[in-house]
Amino acid sequence: NAGVTQTPKFQVLKTGQSMTLQCAQDMNHEYMSWYRQDPGMGLRLIHYSVGAGITDQGEVPNGYNVSRSTTEDFPLRLLSAAPSQTSVYFCASSYGQGIQPQHFGDGTRLSIL
Amino acid sequence: EDKVVQSPLSLVVHEGDTVTLNCSYEVTNFRSLLWYKQEKKAPTFLFMLTSSGIEKKSGRLSSILDKKELFSILNITATQTGDSAIYLCAVERQGGSEKLVFGKGTKLTVNP
Repeated sequence: NAGVTQTPKFQVLKTGQSMTLQCAQDMNHEYMSWYRQDPGMGLRLIHYSVGAGITDQGEVPNGYNVSRSTTEDFPLRLLSAAPSQTSVYFCASSYGQGIQPQHFGDGTRLSIL
Repeated sequence: EDKVVQSPLSLVVHEGDTVTLNCSYEVTNFRSLLWYKQEKKAPTFLFMLTSSGIEKKSGRLSSILDKKELFSILNITATQTGDSAIYLCAVERQGGSEKLVFGKGTKLTVNP
């Protein structure tokens, strides 16, 4: 049972480039989310999904796009990378609110030059 | 605006000490409060608290919630160097929004 798998683990981009951070879970969880973690800021919610075909914005959605075509996968797209998006990105999943805590992937460390 | 505040932001203790980490919150439609431990990678779940006054315990760690005063504490007794980590508090809201609001974390360092 792999849990929540994020790829890549590290990435360096140039300003203006686009890329997709991958997240997959094999626990049949309905709820998935993306957070970014910056020093001194805690985790902040970017986008989330309560099931396949349904996504919504979190606290800091600008510059990011998501889709949820399957229950297992929830990719995060950076449309035009900016230095302010340098961060550690975590994907999380759970069965649902109040039922089970969210399980986190190991994170993707992203640097934008 | 929803807010979760943790204190202290950092703490350095010696092995064997007992520590208390604090988390206060102002959140609309509170459902539950969660504690996570984050070492080098992913946050790992410790406790989920939904009812006031009921202590949750796991080994040397325990936590309790006060819904009247809007805070929770996480206690660690007989600390070990392996307890060194960032401890995150998060609050879950009702209403189907499926959102966790995180505090900034407390960085605990346990020296031998």
